[in-house]
Formats: sequence, structure tokens, C-alpha cells
Amino acid sequence: AQSVTQPDIHITVSEGASLELRCNYSYGATPYLFWYVQSPGQGLQLLLKYFSGDTLVQGIKGFEAEFKRSQSSFNLRKPSVHWSDAAEYFCAVGFGGNKLVFGAGTILRVKS
Amino acid sequence: DTAVSQTPKYLVTQMGNDKSIKCEQNLGHDTMYWYKQDSKKFLKIMFSYNNKELIINETVPNRFSPKSPDKAHLNLHINSLELGDSAVYFCASTQTGQETQYFGPGTRLLVL
Repeated sequence: AQSVTQPDIHITVSEGASLELRCNYSYGATPYLFWYVQSPGQGLQLLLKYFSGDTLVQGIKGFEAEFKRSQSSFNLRKPSVHWSDAAEYFCAVGFGGNKLVFGAGTILRVKS
Repeated sequence: DTAVSQTPKYLVTQMGNDKSIKCEQNLGHDTMYWYKQDSKKFLKIMFSYNNKELIINETVPNRFSPKSPDKAHLNLHINSLELGDSAVYFCASTQTGQETQYFGPGTRLLVL
């Protein structure tokens, strides 16, 4: 069955430190891959997406993600976290047919 | 010039009432969705419409009835509200073939 896993429910990093949020999926082919961010009380904002081509994709707010086919992963990274990055991050996977399956989300806390 | 808008933003109501949530997108997309985000922040698709036609109908109680008067609008009517319907409901849209979904700000429904 198609599934999306975000293994970390909470992550806390210090401001200025690097960040990596993990996302794994289960699917026989290469899906469409997305990261969304949800700030408290807000909607979902698209950070970046991967469809094909270069496996390292750049997004907004200094985020990047790398698709690794061998690991069925699409991890989100940022070299230096800012306090305003505190939010919940969702990995989403499109398995075709314009339907997205979301991971359970990772809450990022930033300590000063 | 909001891309995907929802009304109302907050909705507090009593059990047993009937309520509607409205969604509009000005992106020219032909596909719209309703998602439910529960108290654990898990996002699950409920319905999808393409050019006013229902194409995805997940296992949702038939107290929930979507309606799409045109491809820019998708409304959600909920009959006989129950406590478990309390959640954030997100509308999203995409263009067939593009896979990327754009989300509205959400409607926070609280059933007392």
C-alpha cells in the first residue's frame, strides 16, 4: 500500500543550527514529492517539490530537499535555522491521479 | 488577490446543527479538494472535484455533502454535526496534470 512516514514527531534545534527532517514513502515507482509548512493557526504553504530531474531541489525560505530513490526518501534540509522556521512540516506524496497522501507531520521547535 | 480562500475561518456550533463551508480559487484550476485535519494534525483527503464532477470520494459519512457550482468553487455542507467533526477543514486546488496542490487557510470547526 502507498504510505508516507515522517519518523520524527518533534524536533528541537538551536537557532543557527542545521536541520534535517526525514520523509520516507512506500511505492513501486517514483512519485511526486512535496514539502509543506504549516505555521500555528495558518494554512499549508508549499516549500518545494520534486517531479523528476536533479534530485536536489531548492525551495523557498532557504530550504532544500534531496530525493534518494534507493532509500525511498525525500528529506528536507536547511543549513541555518531561524526562529521564524518554528512550525509543523508535512511531507506529501502524489501517487498519480492528482491525489496526495500526507505524512503525520514533524513539529519543529527552535530554541534561542 | 488570495489564491484559495475559505469562509468562514472559524465556525463554532452545536451538535445536531447543519453548517456549510465555502471555498473559492482564482488560479484557474480545474480540480478542487476538501481535506480534514484532525486534532493530531493528520491530514486526510475527503473529496475531489474535477470540472464540477466528483472524482474522489473517500470513506466519509454521508452527512458530508460537497457541491461544486462551477470549477472555481467547492462548498462542503455538513448535516447533523457531531463532536467528532471538530477539525480544521482545508480546501485545495490544482490543474489536471500539474500535481501541485495549493491550499486555503483552513476553516476551524468546533462542535460543542
